[in-house]
Amino acid sequence: GDSVTQMEGPVTLSEEAFLTINCTYTATGYPSLFWYVQYPGEGLQLLLKATKADDKGSNKGFEATYRKETTSFHLEKGSVQVSDSAVYFCALSDSGAGSYQLTFGKGTKLSVIP
Amino acid sequence: DTGVSQDPRHKITKRGQNVTFRCDPISEHNRLYWYRQTLGQGPEFLTYFQNEAQLEKSRLLSDRFSAERPKGSFSTLEIQRTEQGDSAMYLCASSLGSGALGNEQFFGPGTRLTVL
Repeated sequence: GDSVTQMEGPVTLSEEAFLTINCTYTATGYPSLFWYVQYPGEGLQLLLKATKADDKGSNKGFEATYRKETTSFHLEKGSVQVSDSAVYFCALSDSGAGSYQLTFGKGTKLSVIP
Repeated sequence: DTGVSQDPRHKITKRGQNVTFRCDPISEHNRLYWYRQTLGQGPEFLTYFQNEAQLEKSRLLSDRFSAERPKGSFSTLEIQRTEQGDSAMYLCASSLGSGALGNEQFFGPGTRLTVL
């Protein structure tokens, strides 16, 4: 079945540091890939997505590129802020295989300190 | 448009009791999903509706769980004879189901269930 593996946390960075959160996947079809973010006390929000190979999703300074050859979708940000402190989830949707559910990784907690 | 709403936000119950949660999706969205999230884990898919039809169910959805979406709008998730292992956050999401944004799921704030 489909699965998502992402970097274990927690991750603690100083403000303005570079962020990478690794995500790899296995899927039977050709999935769409997502990063969701969960800020403290809030619900899941879509951060960015990519639907085909070599697509780059971007939002709020975050980027991730769909790499089919390495089955990866790593999240990056050049300069993190305290307000980026949250839990980040990598997810896939394999609708081409007839399933619309999202399959999530376990999440990576990011703490950014001033 | 106020987003996906869920009620109640918190529910504490005793083992063996039945509980029911409600989800109101974004009004024009025809797809509705239920997920369960336990502490330190990502959400796990439970079931999915397109309009009023329940099209997909996870093996996590035991026979104590039942979900409905009678008129293709709001949905309910009922857990009968609750067990302590049912304690989790229950998330609802909806999506448009067509077009370029059809696959994008919008999540509600969740209902946190505690079974004593």
